[in-house]
Amino acid sequence: GENVEQHPSTLSVQEGDSAVIKCTYSDSASNYFPWYKQELGKRPQLIIDIRSNVGEKKDQRIAVTLNKTAKHFSLHITETQPEDSAVYFCAASGAGGGNKLTFGTGTQLKVEL
Amino acid sequence: DVKVTQSSRYLVKRTGEKVFLECVQDMDHENMFWYRQDPGLGLRLIYFSYDVKMKEKGDIPEGYSVSREKKERFSLILESASTNQTSMYLCASSVGYGAPYEQYFGPGTRLTVT
Repeated sequence: GENVEQHPSTLSVQEGDSAVIKCTYSDSASNYFPWYKQELGKRPQLIIDIRSNVGEKKDQRIAVTLNKTAKHFSLHITETQPEDSAVYFCAASGAGGGNKLTFGTGTQLKVEL
Repeated sequence: DVKVTQSSRYLVKRTGEKVFLECVQDMDHENMFWYRQDPGLGLRLIYFSYDVKMKEKGDIPEGYSVSREKKERFSLILESASTNQTSMYLCASSVGYGAPYEQYFGPGTRLTVT
């Protein structure tokens, strides 16, 4: 089955800096790559996703890039703010599982003032 | 606005008890999922369902079963609770067959088995 690895497990940045979180996946047939943000005590919520026919997607300060050849995808947050502090999860949907997602182990992002 | 609700936020059960966790979604979604979330392990899929009365095993189904008698409701059953099932349990739902779409999560149930 699909295996997703996520790095780093913790990330501390100064307010205004950029943050990058990287994930690799194993199933070359995977075609959907969402990113979820989970604030402390709250449910995970989708912040951005990308499908395999696209190399990059942007939404304001957040962008995701996908390299299908290397089987990795990354989340980029620019001009970080304290409210960006949360746990971020990447995920991949393998072709065999339809709507099934395999999640990475999460990155605790801390934005310091 | 999609709403996914779970029957309890916190639950304490004894070893060997049968435990039911309920999830309800109000958006007529075909797909429903049960995950457990443990520190450092991310979200791991226990079971999912793509239609009423249909179910498929996820990555860690051992010790769990599920039931989906109605489209809006998906239940997770711990047949005989054990201490290693102490965890946060998250339910999710999504629309559609075929191509994957956003999963909407419930607030979670923190289960403690003593």
